[in-house]
Amino acid sequence: GAGVSQSPSNKVTEKGKDVELRCDPISGHTALYWYRQRLGQGLEFLIYFQGNSAPDKSGLPSDRFSAERTGESVSTLTIQRTQQEDSAVYLCASSLDGGANNQPQHFGDGTRLSIL
Amino acid sequence: GQQVMQIPQYQHVQEGEDFTTYCNSSTTLSNIQWYKQRPGGHPVFLIQLVKSGEVKKQKRLTFQFGEAKKNSSLHITATQTTDVGTYFCAKGNTGKLIFGQGTTLQVKP
Repeated sequence: GAGVSQSPSNKVTEKGKDVELRCDPISGHTALYWYRQRLGQGLEFLIYFQGNSAPDKSGLPSDRFSAERTGESVSTLTIQRTQQEDSAVYLCASSLDGGANNQPQHFGDGTRLSIL
Repeated sequence: GQQVMQIPQYQHVQEGEDFTTYCNSSTTLSNIQWYKQRPGGHPVFLIQLVKSGEVKKQKRLTFQFGEAKKNSSLHITATQTTDVGTYFCAKGNTGKLIFGQGTTLQVKP
């Protein structure tokens, strides 16, 4: 596709349930990023994938959060045993490559997650 | 630590007035990027600054990178209602970006 695609666009679930969020990056982009944005707040880095390198997981807030990426394509962010504080917009971005040059990041529209 | 500090957090201006947001780091930055997020939208890349003292312009927007590469600014001349949104700076850090908290601009017509 032309841009970064995220699904679902909205997710409402009960506390304690697991959720899986999906991101389709721009074709040919080797770097993929997940961010969390709480209402009225900035972007909180979660995890970064670059090609076949080990992902940078330094931003994951707890072991309930995990993410996978298949090669240089789709990524899924999984949150287990969701808590109310997990309510936020989860944004995915991709860039041509990562590394020191920090290519511009292209963002998807996000998944708005609401935990009841 | 790793954060970039952005000020002000909010700014309300009358249409036609100028606007500036500032981004500061305690450490030297290798590069800095600026993004704009419209209400209800996602961040959109505006520009990247790499060189000490660099100044770049995009129409009414002027971006500066400090001589010491520890601060940056975005200045909008003669704001318009289309400028409404949150402006984020982001610093490069081992392949990922660390975003500031953003400055939210509101423009009164």
